[in-house]
Amino acid sequence: EADIYQTPRYLVIGTGKKITLECSQTMGHDKMYWYQQDPGMELHLIHYSYGVNSTEKGDLSSESTVSRIRTEHFPLTLESARPSHTSQYLCASGDSGNTIYFGEGSWLTVV
Amino acid sequence: GQSLEQPSEVTAVEGAIVQINCTYQTSGFYGLSWYQQHDGGAPTFLSYNALDGLEETGRFSSFLSRSDSYGYLLLQELQMKDSASYFCAVRDGGSARQLTFGSGTQLTVLP
Repeated sequence: EADIYQTPRYLVIGTGKKITLECSQTMGHDKMYWYQQDPGMELHLIHYSYGVNSTEKGDLSSESTVSRIRTEHFPLTLESARPSHTSQYLCASGDSGNTIYFGEGSWLTVV
Repeated sequence: GQSLEQPSEVTAVEGAIVQINCTYQTSGFYGLSWYQQHDGGAPTFLSYNALDGLEETGRFSSFLSRSDSYGYLLLQELQMKDSASYFCAVRDGGSARQLTFGSGTQLTVLP
């Protein structure tokens, strides 16, 4: 059983608002990821981290930013939300092996 | 870069066997993984192949042919609960810490 948690699970916010999606894992994994997924569609990597103070952008351009100040914590921030940001955001973590573990996801709706 | 191709939809009946194929193009190759995702849920790890051949885990098996850049997931004795999306994913040599997902195959199991 993976121990990776995301909050909030569901959020509706207005255009222009700032939002931070939280992700925490208790497995001590070095690698953490943020994926964006629209319903029924593929997963797009938007950010990943190799460890503390190490973050990189993924394949999908995103207006979000991330930070990795602590191993267990990898928050994602949207400074000014737009309706095009409406999507599901999935956080994941992994160690040196080949399995990554996903959180339950955060469903964001921007109105 | 890397790309993966898998069928968008597969339909089968309970008790049947279904094979979901995945072809990939990567600059390097560190292994092929399979993930299952139920509607509204998070992806969960099913299997991983780094070497050619068949890996069996209960009703699910996964196959890899590195020379053909091809793999498949085989689901036997299908059950209704197997209805889900199935994603293949590769970890490539360009950035071995990244995992890139295919677009997913929606499996529908009929009674």
